[in-house]
Amino acid sequence: NAGVTQTPKFQVLKTGQSMTLQCAQDMNHEYMSWYRQDPGMGLRLIHYSVGAGITDQGEVPNGYNVSRSTTEDFPLRLLSAAPSQTSVYFCASSYTNSFNYGYTFGSGTRLTVV
Amino acid sequence: DAKTTQPNSMESNEEEPVHLPCNHSTISGTDYIHWYRQLPSQGPEYVIHGLTSNVNNRMASLAIAEDRKSSTLILHRATLRDAAVYYCILRDSGHNQGGKLIFGQGTELSVKP
Repeated sequence: NAGVTQTPKFQVLKTGQSMTLQCAQDMNHEYMSWYRQDPGMGLRLIHYSVGAGITDQGEVPNGYNVSRSTTEDFPLRLLSAAPSQTSVYFCASSYTNSFNYGYTFGSGTRLTVV
Repeated sequence: DAKTTQPNSMESNEEEPVHLPCNHSTISGTDYIHWYRQLPSQGPEYVIHGLTSNVNNRMASLAIAEDRKSSTLILHRATLRDAAVYYCILRDSGHNQGGKLIFGQGTELSVKP
C-alpha cells in the first residue's frame, strides 16, 4: 500500500515554463487536494476534488490548473511558472471530505522557479 | 473560519509525557478538532481527531474541554522521533471550501535525550 505518491520530489523551472506535478493514491479515496507550503505561512489550499470529474478552487488557485479523470490521480499543472510559485507542494487525500476522517499527505514536491 | 491558538514552541524530555495545548474559543458546534504533525522535510501526518469526547489511538490521546474551547494533545512517552511541528486544526464546515484544512503556525516540539 503506497499511500499518496508525489512526483517529482524536486524540480527547478525557468520563469514561463510549464510543468505538471503528479499525485496518485491507491486507497480508493474520493477526496483529493493540493496545498502549498511557504516559510512562515503554513499550508494553503490550491485546488481540491471531491471525486472523479469534479474539481474546485481553493484559497490560492491562480496560476494552477487541475483535472481529475480517475479516482487515483490528481495532477497539478503550472501553466507559466513564476518565481512566486517557488514552494513545497503537498497532495492530500481522504476517504471523503467529511469532518470525521483524517487526510493522508504525500511527501511533497519542492519546486524552485528561477 | 474558526481559528486556533497554539504556543510557538515547546520542549520535552525523552520518555516523558507531553501536553500540547490548543485554544479554539470560536469553535462551532459541528467543527471537529484535528491534530496533524509534520516531521522535518516530510508531509503532514494525521495524528488524531475528535468532536466532544476524549479520544485515544496508538499515537496519542486527545483531551477536549467540556466547553470545547480548548483541547490538549497528549503524547504519553515522547521519543526523539516525535520532534515535529504539531498543528491543531478545526475542520472547516464551509461547503464552498470542500472541507479544507486550515493550518496555523503550529507548535514546534523539540525532544531532548
